[in-house]
Amino acid sequence: QQQVKQSPQSLIVQKGGISIINCAYENTAFDYFPWYQQFPGKGPALLIAIRPDVSEKKEGRFTISFNKSAKQFSLHIMDSQPGDSATYFCAASIQQGGSEKLVFGKGTKLTVNP
Amino acid sequence: DGGITQSPKYLFRKEGQNVTLSCEQNLNHDAMYWYRQDPGQGLRLIYYSQIVNDFQKGDIAEGYSVSREKKESFPLTVTSAQKNPTAFYLCASSRMDSGNTEAFFGQGTRLTVV
Repeated sequence: QQQVKQSPQSLIVQKGGISIINCAYENTAFDYFPWYQQFPGKGPALLIAIRPDVSEKKEGRFTISFNKSAKQFSLHIMDSQPGDSATYFCAASIQQGGSEKLVFGKGTKLTVNP
Repeated sequence: DGGITQSPKYLFRKEGQNVTLSCEQNLNHDAMYWYRQDPGQGLRLIYYSQIVNDFQKGDIAEGYSVSREKKESFPLTVTSAQKNPTAFYLCASSRMDSGNTEAFFGQGTRLTVV
């Protein structure tokens, strides 16, 4: 059960609004949950990350909420800006065979209209 | 500047040809990864390597091969056995710290079969 399910697939938000992207997982062995931001034609870049012993982490306009019992975590982008338009991937990290392995969700394409 | 360099940015391949994608990092990271990205599919792991001269298959290794002769380099060969090679290929590297797998990505290589 090494999947990470991400929703929605696409999201359109007005400038100044709140963008919310959700992810869910099954495997309780996951021990690190990063979010990546990817602009067209570029590689993903780490945006924010959280460990399962913390319920919330905030960095500027970006907040991760983590619900360990529900095995869900979400990214909130406050005061969304057109420059936030990108594809966002949640991920989960697991130790496997002595190494760390990242499993990614399928991504959410966010469009912030001016 | 520290980072990951992928080359070329665009690559065209004829049916039946093998091609090699380059990935070099100067971050002194032990772990390196290759991902394939298709629209709506997220990032799928092809191969990864934790140490020089050792590598493991990821989720979609068929039709691909890798080598890790140097810590800095992790080239990916897309062989003629890969039935649908047209995709965006991403190389990444990370430290080996437990529970903190921040992956740094290159800018990607877009491979097109003509």
